[in-house]
Amino acid sequence: EAGVTQFPSHSVIEKGQTVTLRCDPISGHDNLYWYRRVMGKEIKFLLHFVKESKQDESGMPNNRFLAERTGGTYSTLKVQPAELEDSGVYFCASSQPKQGSNTEAFFGQGTRLTVV
Amino acid sequence: GDSVTQMEGPVTLSEEAFLTINCTYTATGYPSLFWYVQYPGEGLQLLLKATKADDKGSNKGFEATYRKETTSFHLEKGSVQVSDSAVYFCALSDGFSGGYNKLIFGAGTRLAVHP
Repeated sequence: EAGVTQFPSHSVIEKGQTVTLRCDPISGHDNLYWYRRVMGKEIKFLLHFVKESKQDESGMPNNRFLAERTGGTYSTLKVQPAELEDSGVYFCASSQPKQGSNTEAFFGQGTRLTVV
Repeated sequence: GDSVTQMEGPVTLSEEAFLTINCTYTATGYPSLFWYVQYPGEGLQLLLKATKADDKGSNKGFEATYRKETTSFHLEKGSVQVSDSAVYFCALSDGFSGGYNKLIFGAGTRLAVHP
């Protein structure tokens, strides 16, 4: 079974440009999460989808970030326009809800974004 | 808000040495605690977890005990191998209501093991 897949693995863009990151969760997983690690600091939660609905987007830094999950399958995270402080590693994770028990979140390899 | 603090790295050890990576947390409720590991070129993998006080999580020779009195979840391994070289992240989740497990991570500790 394929794991969580993220594209691209690396992206280098200029300040002011637009970048779109993609995440393909494990097939059948309703929960999809985006996280970000900036400059070797802690990994921070960005947002959470349940199927196609945004359940929690409290971690989104500002309105330059737009996440979508049309059809409840793959998700995209667009940064427009990118700023220098957006550089970091963006992780995607997915899990399948199960009432009354812990569910493990499976992470992708991450997309390393560098804004120059 | 909830937070996780772990020791800064890098930690450099010789093979077969004893490993401890300290992790402490701040949480208002009764969180579940985790250690994740990221090997070079790979994604984050769950290493072990503990869901209540005094629970011990263990996997691949690694152990961590949920200590509520000291709000700690230190990672230990008795004899490290070169293949353990990776970045280790301590994390907490404040609940699994409906299977939703939003994680709060520490900054990560890089471990380098030399032959």
